[in-house]
Amino acid sequence: DAGVTQSPTHLIKTRGQQVTLRCSPKSGHDTVSWYQQALGQGPQFIFQYYEEEERQRGNFPDRFSGHQFPNYSSELNVNALLLGDSALYLCASSLSWGTQFFGPGTRLTVL
Amino acid sequence: AQSVTQPDIHITVSEGASLELRCNYSYGATPYLFWYVQSPGQGLQLLLKYFSGDTLVQGIKGFEAEFKRSQSSFNLRKPSVHWIDADEYFCAALPGAGGTSYGKLTFGQGTILTVHP
Repeated sequence: DAGVTQSPTHLIKTRGQQVTLRCSPKSGHDTVSWYQQALGQGPQFIFQYYEEEERQRGNFPDRFSGHQFPNYSSELNVNALLLGDSALYLCASSLSWGTQFFGPGTRLTVL
Repeated sequence: AQSVTQPDIHITVSEGASLELRCNYSYGATPYLFWYVQSPGQGLQLLLKYFSGDTLVQGIKGFEAEFKRSQSSFNLRKPSVHWIDADEYFCAALPGAGGTSYGKLTFGQGTILTVHP
């Protein structure tokens, strides 16, 4: 039974560029949440997708957007990258409001 | 505002010693509570969770946690620490049934555990 998978593992971008990160949930899960973890900090909630709709959103600007596909996989898009967007981006999947299980993360570096 | 606090940024223990990591929460209603562990640059692994019922919960890797409503705490414990337990530990909370911000997991700042041989 595959757990949560994320791609790519690492990514380097320059300021102003756009990036797309991908997540496949654990088998049987229908909900995907995204978190940003800056170095030395706890993860911060970006948003959550359920039934292809954004159900909850944290305090992140509109530059952060997402999508969920019919197979429950999800993408996180960040436009107009800033140096401060450099972080580990974590995807978590769950069955609706249940316990969230995390993927290995994508390390984004913005130069 | 909803928040989770881990008062200790860094804890050092000797191998074989007991361990307690502190976690306090501030929520209008009792949230669901979790402990996760993270190796450097890796994802988070769930150690244990508390939803309701028995206030002492058992998790993986020999960890347990005790929920104390009167102290708004959910401390993580292990009777005997091994070198392999050296990692960063995060306490997290999810609003309970009927709470706002459903689905938003709020994390503490993390506690880094160092184990001396």
